Amino acid sequence: AQKITQTQPGMFVQEKEAVTLDCTYDTSDQSYGLFWYKQPSSGEMIFLIYQGSYDEQNATEGRYSLNFQKARKSANLVISASQLGDSAMYFCAMREQRWGTGFQKLVFGTGTRLLVSP
Amino acid sequence: DVKVTQSSRYLVKRTGEKVFLECVQDMDHENMFWYRQDPGLGLRLIYFSYDVKMKEKGDIPEGYSVSREKKERFSLILESASTNQTSMYLCASSPLGSQESSYEQYFGPGTRLTVT
Repeated sequence: AQKITQTQPGMFVQEKEAVTLDCTYDTSDQSYGLFWYKQPSSGEMIFLIYQGSYDEQNATEGRYSLNFQKARKSANLVISASQLGDSAMYFCAMREQRWGTGFQKLVFGTGTRLLVSP
Repeated sequence: DVKVTQSSRYLVKRTGEKVFLECVQDMDHENMFWYRQDPGLGLRLIYFSYDVKMKEKGDIPEGYSVSREKKERFSLILESASTNQTSMYLCASSPLGSQESSYEQYFGPGTRLTVT
């Protein structure tokens, strides 16, 4: 079974600095996908970025990039030039695929709370 | 835009009551999910459904049941609410995907349920 580990319960960063949120995973699947979601205090889950296991390049979406190190089984989220609005919970998740079907479900980590200070 | 709506943002119920949490999505997604979110535990999957009338248990199904009579609607039922079911409940949907697809799950705003 897949497992996602986020070892940082909380992180602090100053505005305009970069921050890395750690995520390690465990799977026996050869093909898998990794996701990062943001959850502001309002509660909704916002999809940020996706990395497929066969993608040769690290995923990027604006200020978000994913530092994917397959051999180490890590998929860290890097936020560049932090903004006050980045203060939120961040969840790493892995897709669990049911073979031969289109069904997928996500396994989530426990999350990291990021606080951006002025 | 994909929209997933949940019937209530906040709900307060008494122990022993039967509780219905409704979720509706408007993008014709096959897959729908119910999660429970608790501090320090992340999101845990309660039940999921990959087609109308099809449902499967997730990681923590005890004390819950679900219903999916129509493709767009997925209901979570607490047969007899207990205080340990006080939590944030999140519904999500996603299309069927291939092994390499990046189809993310789309989440509703959540229902914060308090059982007293």
